[in-house]
Amino acid sequence: GAVVSQHPSRVICKSGTSVKIECRSLDFQATTMFWYRQFPKQSLMLMATSNEGSKATYEQGVEKDKFLINHASLTLSTLTVTSAHPEDSSFYICSARDWERGGSSYNEQFFGPGTRLTVL
Amino acid sequence: SQQGEEDPQALSIQEGENATMNCSYKTSINNLQWYRQNSGRGLVHLILIRSNEREKHSGRLRVTLDTSKKSSSLLITASRAADTASYFCATDPGNTGKLIFGQGTTLQVKP
Repeated sequence: GAVVSQHPSRVICKSGTSVKIECRSLDFQATTMFWYRQFPKQSLMLMATSNEGSKATYEQGVEKDKFLINHASLTLSTLTVTSAHPEDSSFYICSARDWERGGSSYNEQFFGPGTRLTVL
Repeated sequence: SQQGEEDPQALSIQEGENATMNCSYKTSINNLQWYRQNSGRGLVHLILIRSNEREKHSGRLRVTLDTSKKSSSLLITASRAADTASYFCATDPGNTGKLIFGQGTTLQVKP
C-alpha cells in the first residue's frame, strides 16, 4: 500500500507553453501533498505545500503565479508550470503524507516517481 | 534553503565493502530520515531515527544520530551493486511534512 503516482513521467515542451503534472495517492487519502524540485546532481528543494480544499503555501522564492497548485480532492494534486522557460527544466517530485499511519509523532511520507520536465 | 550537508558527495566502493555516509543539520529535530534515490527516480524511505535514539538498525543498514553534534551517519554493510544510488538525509523540524534534504551522497558499488 501507500503508493503515489505521477503523470506524466516525462514531458518535453516549447518555451512559453504550460505544463500540468499530476500527483495521485492511489490507496490512501492525502490532505497534504508536497511538491519538490530537483536540478541535475542536486538535492530536492521544497517548492510548496498543497492543501486539499485550500490554497497552497509556497516556499520563499517560489513564484505562486508561475507554479499553480490545485489540490481538488483527497487523492489528487496538480502542479501547472505556466509559461515554461528552459530554466524551469527540472525533475519535479511530489510526496504525500498518510496521516492515518503511524503515531502522533510521525506520519510517513511517500514519494512519487517524479516528472522530468524539459523546456526547449 | 537546504540545511543539511552530507559527505562524501560521492563514494565508490567494491561489492562486499561497507559504505558510510554522513549528514549534518542545523536546527533541532524530532527525527531524521534517510532516503534512497535511484537515478532519475523518486525517493524510497529507508529508515527513521528519532531524536531520543542513538542508533537504529534495519537489515544491512545502520543509522546513528548524535544530536549534540547535529549529525547522523548511514552505514550500509556488505554492499551490493544494487545499492548503487544517491542517499539523502532529511529532517522535518516542525513535523509539518516539509522535509529539508541534505545534499546527498552518490554511492557507486562496483561488482
